[in-house]
Amino acid sequence: SQQGEEDPQALSIQEGENATMNCSYKTSINNLQWYRQNSGRGLVHLILIRSNEREKHSGRLRVTLDTSKKSSSLLITASRAADTASYFCATPLSGNTPLVFGKGTRLSVIA
Amino acid sequence: DAGVIQSPRHEVTEMGQEVTLRCKPISGHDYLFWYRQTMMRGLELLIYFNNNVPIDDSGMPEDRFSAKMPNASFSTLKIQPSEPRDSAVYFCASSSGHEKGTGELFFGEGSRLTVL
Repeated sequence: SQQGEEDPQALSIQEGENATMNCSYKTSINNLQWYRQNSGRGLVHLILIRSNEREKHSGRLRVTLDTSKKSSSLLITASRAADTASYFCATPLSGNTPLVFGKGTRLSVIA
Repeated sequence: DAGVIQSPRHEVTEMGQEVTLRCKPISGHDYLFWYRQTMMRGLELLIYFNNNVPIDDSGMPEDRFSAKMPNASFSTLKIQPSEPRDSAVYFCASSSGHEKGTGELFFGEGSRLTVL
């Protein structure tokens, strides 16, 4: 079953531009996580934001969480060609259940 | 740390054959998850273990699928008999228990299965 749903499905930008990806989810959560997947590779954890946090930064990444709207956004600033990947949001369906992933946003950064 | 290790990375087999995928989680992690990724359905959770005990296998699609975790450092996912619709990338992931299984997941590189 799907919990998070990313938007847009695909995004193409020029190097140096910012990339914004959104995630909407359905149930109350205790945390929301973002992962990156390079082509042919496993998923790599980027950042975790808890339900009592509104914003979190990690390097060029900025994540926001709006629990009233059940939505999150991932902003990558000053994008690089190496940021080309698929990005997934993930949340537990409820309580202490394992993470459920959206279908991801495919980001292409053109040099 | 070597990370989560999966084998084989690629498997091509014929319909009806048995397939066994293997996973070695990160040492000290007490949660292990098996996910399947396809273009159509995205990432689906198949089964997960806590301290080697299966907790929820409701995501296992059919009785043809089975998973075991005989010890803390090894798990297998078996498909018998395999069918073309089982073609997918199968991921193993592990995590430590301080978030009760909802914390950061560490993924292996996946096993790409093609059933002809």
